[in-house]
Amino acid sequence: DAGVTQSPTHLIKTRGQQVTLRCSPKSGHDTVSWYQQALGQGPQFIFQYYEEEERQRGNFPDRFSGHQFPNYSSELNVNALLLGDSALYLCASTNSWAALYNEQFFGPGTRLTVL
Amino acid sequence: AQSVSQHNHHVILSEAASLELGCNYSYGGTVNLFWYVQYPGQHLQLLLKYFSGDPLVKGIKGFEAEFIKSKFSFNLRKPSVQWSDTAEYFCAATYNQGGKLIFGQGTELSVKP
Repeated sequence: DAGVTQSPTHLIKTRGQQVTLRCSPKSGHDTVSWYQQALGQGPQFIFQYYEEEERQRGNFPDRFSGHQFPNYSSELNVNALLLGDSALYLCASTNSWAALYNEQFFGPGTRLTVL
Repeated sequence: AQSVSQHNHHVILSEAASLELGCNYSYGGTVNLFWYVQYPGQHLQLLLKYFSGDPLVKGIKGFEAEFIKSKFSFNLRKPSVQWSDTAEYFCAATYNQGGKLIFGQGTELSVKP
């Protein structure tokens, strides 16, 4: 049973560019959340998707957007990249019916470096 | 604002020493608490979680945590650490039945063999 998978593993972009990160949830999960983990910090919640809609959003600018597909996979898009967007981007999945009580399973992350 | 704070940024212990990592959460209604661990080169994994009931929670690999409501604390403990416990540990919370995890800054644990 595959866990949460993310692609790519690493990415290098320059300021002003746009980036798309991808996530496939654990089998049987329908809710996907995205987190940003800056170096030396704890993960920060970006947003959560369920039924192809953004259900919750953290304190991130509109440059950060997402999408969820009918197969529950998800994308995170970041426009107009800034140096400060350099971080590890984590995807986590869970079941909506027990989201409160179930743990969120995390993927390995995508390391984004903005030059 | 809802927040989680961890007292120690870096803890260094010798094998067999006892461990206690501090975690405090802010008041914000109904809270559920978690400890996650991130081993070098690996993804975040759940150590233990508290939703209700017995305030002493046992997790994997011999870890436990105690929920003390009056102190807004959820400290992680292990009686005897091993070299393989070297990792970064994150305390996290969800509030009011939301799915958003709020993480502390993390504590890096180094265990000397």
